Amino acid sequence: NAGVTQTPKFQVLKTGQSMTLQCAQDMNHEYMSWYRQDPGMGLRLIHYSVGAGITDQGEVPNGYNVSRSTTEDFPLRLLSAAPSQTSVYFCASSYADRAGNTIYFGEGSWLTVV
Amino acid sequence: QQPVQSPQAVILREGEDAVINCSSSKALYSVHWYRQKHGEAPVFLMILLKGGEQKGHEKISASFNEKKQQSSLYLTASQLSYSGTYFCGTEWGGGGADGLTFGKGTHLIIQP
Repeated sequence: NAGVTQTPKFQVLKTGQSMTLQCAQDMNHEYMSWYRQDPGMGLRLIHYSVGAGITDQGEVPNGYNVSRSTTEDFPLRLLSAAPSQTSVYFCASSYADRAGNTIYFGEGSWLTVV
Repeated sequence: QQPVQSPQAVILREGEDAVINCSSSKALYSVHWYRQKHGEAPVFLMILLKGGEQKGHEKISASFNEKKQQSSLYLTASQLSYSGTYFCGTEWGGGGADGLTFGKGTHLIIQP
């Protein structure tokens, strides 16, 4: 039972480089999202998607791009990496039912921009 | 608006109780609680929906006061495994589509 899978787990980038963080879920969840976590800041929402072909911005979207071509995949692209994007990134998927919207996180991707 | 968690940190002896609070200035639809250990992903604990409910999960329970827009997480007879950072995540509209807004976290340290 894979759940939410993120790759890579660790990455070092040079300023100005671009890269894609991959995220895949095998739970057939409608909703997927990306968060970043910085020390003392909690988790902040970058982008989210309510279904294939539909994405929207969260709290901190600048410098990131997303797409959702399938239900399973939700990649996060860093267009031109900056040191301020050094962070831990978590992908999440969720579904909503009578009990609420249960969110499951991937294991995280540690990104350092030098 | 980010929910406010208190306290920022708690140090307990094994077997003691703890209460972690989460307050919002905006009307809430639901409150989610997660625990995160260092270097790991947040792990889901429970959701509370508006309506003033209380839930329990072994020795961890929570309440949601809709009038005060506040939720509290109760950890009783704490165990070493309870150590970690606890986050509340808040949701303002139903449906769950647009993600959560998380507090900054409460660091819980349990000492033997």
